[in-house]
Amino acid sequence: AQTVTQSQPEMSVQEAETVTLSCTYDTSENNYYLFWYKQPPSRQMILVIRQEAYKQQNATENRFSVNFQKAAKSFSLKISDSQLGDTAMYFCAFKAGANNLFFGTGTRLTVIP
Amino acid sequence: EPEVTQTPSHQVTQMGQEVILRCVPISNHLYFYWYRQILGQKVEFLVSFYNNEISEKSEIFDDQFSVERPDGSNFTLKIRSTKLEDSAMYFCASSEFGTRGGETQYFGPGTRLLVL
Repeated sequence: AQTVTQSQPEMSVQEAETVTLSCTYDTSENNYYLFWYKQPPSRQMILVIRQEAYKQQNATENRFSVNFQKAAKSFSLKISDSQLGDTAMYFCAFKAGANNLFFGTGTRLTVIP
Repeated sequence: EPEVTQTPSHQVTQMGQEVILRCVPISNHLYFYWYRQILGQKVEFLVSFYNNEISEKSEIFDDQFSVERPDGSNFTLKIRSTKLEDSAMYFCASSEFGTRGGETQYFGPGTRLLVL
């Protein structure tokens, strides 16, 4: 069975600073995909970044990057130069084989002006 | 940019009543999904749907649940006889492809269902 763990229920960061959100997962699969979704208040979840497990290079999308450690089953999200619009709930998700995503419980990030 | 839409945004119902949650997936997408999130818990997969039939479902998706694509644009989730524990946020999602790859799923804003 796949499990995804986000151990930080809440985090805060000063505007323009850098913050890292943690995610670990457990799986026996070798080929899988990892995602970070962002859910702003009263808005839908949108994809922030994704990582294919077969790729060694960490994915980056502008200010967002991941630190993917396959052996450690760790997939953290780094947000650089945090902006007020980054305030949201962040969900780590895992997908392998089946069509469905497995989600963590989320981390609520607040960017402080 | 195309978005997944869901109606209603909130629904309150009495235990034992039937509810239908509606979703309009992105128009060129072929795979559709329902997830739910009970307050304070993680988002959980319910069902995926492709080519007018269920492709996968979780153990949560029992006989009280059904899905349908009644026309070319809507995708619905019906709960036949609601229970208190069905109170949750229900998310619809769609993806252009599915298969078993890493295709991105696009989520709607959710319907908050409260069963009294």
